[in-house]
Amino acid sequence: NAGVTQTPKFQVLKTGQSMTLQCAQDMNHNSMYWYRQDPGMGLRLIYYSASEGTTDKGEVPNGYNVSRLNKREFSLRLESAAPSQTSVYFCASTLGGTGGGNTEAFFGQGTRLTVV
Amino acid sequence: GENVEQHPSTLSVQEGDSAVIKCTYSDSASNYFPWYKQELGKGPQLIIDIRSNVGEKKDQRIAVTLNKTAKHFSLHITETQPEDSAVYFCAPKVGAAGNKLTFGGGTRVLVKP
Repeated sequence: NAGVTQTPKFQVLKTGQSMTLQCAQDMNHNSMYWYRQDPGMGLRLIYYSASEGTTDKGEVPNGYNVSRLNKREFSLRLESAAPSQTSVYFCASTLGGTGGGNTEAFFGQGTRLTVV
Repeated sequence: GENVEQHPSTLSVQEGDSAVIKCTYSDSASNYFPWYKQELGKGPQLIIDIRSNVGEKKDQRIAVTLNKTAKHFSLHITETQPEDSAVYFCAPKVGAAGNKLTFGGGTRVLVKP
């Protein structure tokens, strides 16, 4: 019972490089989310996907793109990494769907990204 | 969208004392009120939640109280222990499926032995 799995756990990028953070959940959840957490800060929503086939911007979407590949997987892409994107990235999922709006969010273990 | 604020941002308590964290929200349609605990190096985990038809819920040493009129809810931890040291987040949510999941800024709790 893996829950939410994120890969990689750590990554160092050079400015201008691109990369994709992967997230997969095995709980048959409808809604998935990407957050960033800077040191000493809260969780800021980057993008979310209410259901398969839909994505919406959160508070801080600039510099990121997402893909809801299927119901299980939701990836986050940095096209041209900048030092300001150094952060810990968390993926989360909730049951969502009809009648499932008010349910617990499950988080992955996070990806620590450093852009130099 | 939902505007969520937590107070205080940091809280230092002596082991055995109580800790209270308050979360205020703006959307009167919110009807789900969870609290998450984040330990160092890990993702947040749900510790307790309450729905809008209930005013208070307890689970051993933790409790959540809700004041829908004033649009705030609080996390209460009694008889604090060192393992309660963590960052705590609230995330009030509007019930319709697919709405954004917005977290408060977090409260860092330090329990001193």
